[in-house]
Amino acid sequence: DAKTTQPTSMDCAEGRAANLPCNHSTISGNEYVYWYRQIHSQGPQYIIHGLKNNETNEMASLIITEDRKSSTLILPHATLRDTAVYYCIVRGGDSNYQLIWGAGTKLIIKP
Amino acid sequence: DGGITQSPKYLFRKEGQNVTLSCEQNLNHDAMYWYRQDPGQGLRLIYYSQIVNDFQKGDIAEGYSVSREKKESFPLTVTSAQKNPTAFYLCASSIEDRGGDTQYFGPGTRLTVL
Repeated sequence: DAKTTQPTSMDCAEGRAANLPCNHSTISGNEYVYWYRQIHSQGPQYIIHGLKNNETNEMASLIITEDRKSSTLILPHATLRDTAVYYCIVRGGDSNYQLIWGAGTKLIIKP
Repeated sequence: DGGITQSPKYLFRKEGQNVTLSCEQNLNHDAMYWYRQDPGQGLRLIYYSQIVNDFQKGDIAEGYSVSREKKESFPLTVTSAQKNPTAFYLCASSIEDRGGDTQYFGPGTRLTVL
């Protein structure tokens, strides 16, 4: 079973910040939070990951709550090309190589 | 350009035939993975390999086989024993990054069994 909970879908206006929430209340102390996105019929694209500190790169920012039970991915200035399914994933506890994927959030950027 | 290639993009096979999907990477990554994705669903792990000549079953390995004879290549065979082979198949490779294990994906192969 997926270890994360995300809304099924979200809308955001072009040019605005898109904030995608994720709950991972059972996350272990050594598990990382990863975000990927998948544009229709393409392979998933890595966005960002973090353990407990907030992270930022050229694509997005990742805000992890202090108790690590939830996080938010922020796309600062959404464009139409950001329309995709966004997956929040925690790396499996027993296997360092296991990523457990849920159904993700369908983000639609509107003009 | 460095990256992961999968071929072909679309593949059609008759029921009962084995089919092999290709995955090649030139990123010098040690670990490689195969996932299956069904419509509207997340990815499910079929097999993974952390090093050449070694691989482990994922959650849904039944009806599939793999080999890892070279670091760059991790082909997946969908056998006739796989009950529902029609799906989108994704290959990935990974590198350790700031303590995490970041996976990078190929473009995928869409297999349709008729």
